[in-house]
Amino acid sequence: AQSVTQLGSHVSVSEGALVLLRCNYSSSVPPYLFWYVQYPNQGLQLLLKYTTGATLVKGINGFEAEFKKSETSFHLTKPSAHMSDAAEYFCAVSVSNQGGKLIFGQGTELSVKP
Amino acid sequence: KAGVTQTPRYLIKTRGQQVTLSCSPISGHRSVSWYQQTPGQGLQFLFEYFSETQRNKGNFPGRFSGRQFSNSRSEMNVSTLELGDSALYLCASSLAGQSNQPQHFGDGTRLSIL
Repeated sequence: AQSVTQLGSHVSVSEGALVLLRCNYSSSVPPYLFWYVQYPNQGLQLLLKYTTGATLVKGINGFEAEFKKSETSFHLTKPSAHMSDAAEYFCAVSVSNQGGKLIFGQGTELSVKP
Repeated sequence: KAGVTQTPRYLIKTRGQQVTLSCSPISGHRSVSWYQQTPGQGLQFLFEYFSETQRNKGNFPGRFSGRQFSNSRSEMNVSTLELGDSALYLCASSLAGQSNQPQHFGDGTRLSIL
């Protein structure tokens, strides 16, 4: 069975500092991996995805993530945090034999201090 | 292109009642999935519909049901509401529900049970 673990339910950084949100997955078959962001009272917005090919994936708003199969990780990073990055971030996995079903991690709330 | 539209945005019901939530996918998308989001359980997959057929189902009781119409619009129904059904219900659509395609989410329906 597939699962996703996000390390740290809350992460706080200063404006301009590096953002690192951790995600580890478990899957018996090659996974497809996604990062979504959720702002208050809104749905989820796709930040980036990994399906095949290049393991370093660039997304919107300056975020990127690297797929590391040996570490079963897909950590999200951004070199310089902005106040507008404060939100909840979800890592998700889907697998090829389960259609559009996504399995989500528990989420990481990112706070950005001025 | 209009995004995923969910109606209503907010709903208040009492225990024992039933409720129907509606989701209009992005034009051209044929797959619709539903998720329940709660503080305690996080984001959990309810079911997925493709071409009017339920293709995938999560681990929820039979009180939760759904359907999809020929225009890809979807509804989900919850009967005999319980306090624990209070949640944000999110709908997501994708072109064909393939695992490597990103899901596009609506802003959700917040259901409160009194």
